[in-house]
Amino acid sequence: GQQVMQIPQYQHVQEGEDFTTYCNSSTTLSNIQWYKQRPGGHPVFLIQLVKSGEVKKQKRLTFQFGEAKKNSSLHITATQTTDVGTYFCAGTPSEEYGNKLVFGAGTILRVKS
Amino acid sequence: NAGVTQTPKFRVLKTGQSMTLLCAQDMNHEYMYWYRQDPGMGLRLIHYSVGEGTTAKGEVPDGYNVSRLKKQNFLLGLESAAPSQTSVYFCASSTQGHNEQFFGPGTRLTVL
Repeated sequence: GQQVMQIPQYQHVQEGEDFTTYCNSSTTLSNIQWYKQRPGGHPVFLIQLVKSGEVKKQKRLTFQFGEAKKNSSLHITATQTTDVGTYFCAGTPSEEYGNKLVFGAGTILRVKS
Repeated sequence: NAGVTQTPKFRVLKTGQSMTLLCAQDMNHEYMYWYRQDPGMGLRLIHYSVGEGTTAKGEVPDGYNVSRLKKQNFLLGLESAAPSQTSVYFCASSTQGHNEQFFGPGTRLTVL
């Protein structure tokens, strides 16, 4: 079945260091979304990428969608303690466009101050 | 607007008991979803609905039933709870299937 793999599973960084999480799909995705879940909270939408090779920025966060639309990454520059949480990618498989998102297992980010 | 709300927030069941989780949204969204979240496994789709009166199976539907009698409500039922159904359950809604999903606060369910 459709799988979206996310690495690393867990990362612990010193405040001020950069952080990157990667998302890889076994099939082409029509879009990719990223969500953040704070500890004890619920997933909150960050961004959606649709175009091949697309890059979007939100302040210290940079999101990329691969040329083949099978992978994506989220990069955080100079992490802060407010970045703590789990980051999920989620994609819509092209052959099932319109109905469902397939979520990765998430990357847990911890930031030491 | 309250967004997406879920009741109850917490519940403890004994094996074999039944219960219904309620999800309500006030954003007039067509699509609604039920996920379960287990450590290290992300969010897995249980059932979803593309409109009032419709439901469809997701990735892990066994042991669950759903109903969408009103557009704003999506109910998740467990007819005979099992310890394997201990999880955090999230409801979500969206305008269309490929758009941003809005999540509720979650229900933490423990089955003993």
